[in-house]
Amino acid sequence: DTGVSQNPRHKITKRGQNVTFRCDPISEHNRLYWYRQTLGQGPEFLTYFQNEAQLEKSRLLSDRFSAERPKGSFSTLEIQRTEQGDSAMYLCASSLALGGGTDTQYFGPGTRLTVL
Amino acid sequence: EDKVVQSPLSLVVHEGDTVTLNCSYEVTNFRSLLWYKQEKKAPTFLFMLTSSGIEKKSGRLSSILDKKELSSILNITATQTGDSAIYLCAVLGNTGTASKLTFGTGTRLQVTL
Repeated sequence: DTGVSQNPRHKITKRGQNVTFRCDPISEHNRLYWYRQTLGQGPEFLTYFQNEAQLEKSRLLSDRFSAERPKGSFSTLEIQRTEQGDSAMYLCASSLALGGGTDTQYFGPGTRLTVL
Repeated sequence: EDKVVQSPLSLVVHEGDTVTLNCSYEVTNFRSLLWYKQEKKAPTFLFMLTSSGIEKKSGRLSSILDKKELSSILNITATQTGDSAIYLCAVLGNTGTASKLTFGTGTRLQVTL
């Protein structure tokens, strides 16, 4: 399977614990995005990387959230001191930007986080 | 702030019916509009629209963009139970270095026998 992959698929944690999610983009895609989706809502943008550079962060991304993309390949999203409000589906997407700003984003299966 | 509104929020139709889903948007520096289908997992890509008036088709699905009206429609003809899903509309805006999608809340389509 050459699509976007995410691990783990499900994570249940207790409030206050730290969690880390991983995203492996489609090979050679230079852009990688993180979104969060709650029940009944569309995905909301969190942050985005072009290669290894993090170019934008949403104000939704509090200081408890950090994302990295070392070497411009896979990415990790860490949430520190989780809160019940962090419970959501965390989606990763990747795209190949060739210029012109019309790259298509392809989504992974998501990581469903439940904070007890 | 960029905004996408979809209607209706939900729809129940009988197999064989034709449906039209609507999407309207307000976005800074519009680049393109995308439609995704979401079943139980991640959104799967359907169409990207960048130019007004040019219909994109894939089997029984088609979509068109109206940049003057800031809107798009997604048509599904001869619906099947496998079309049951949430259909998400998203716009790609470009502010500075960003290239992010802003999604609507989706239209939940249920196709019954």
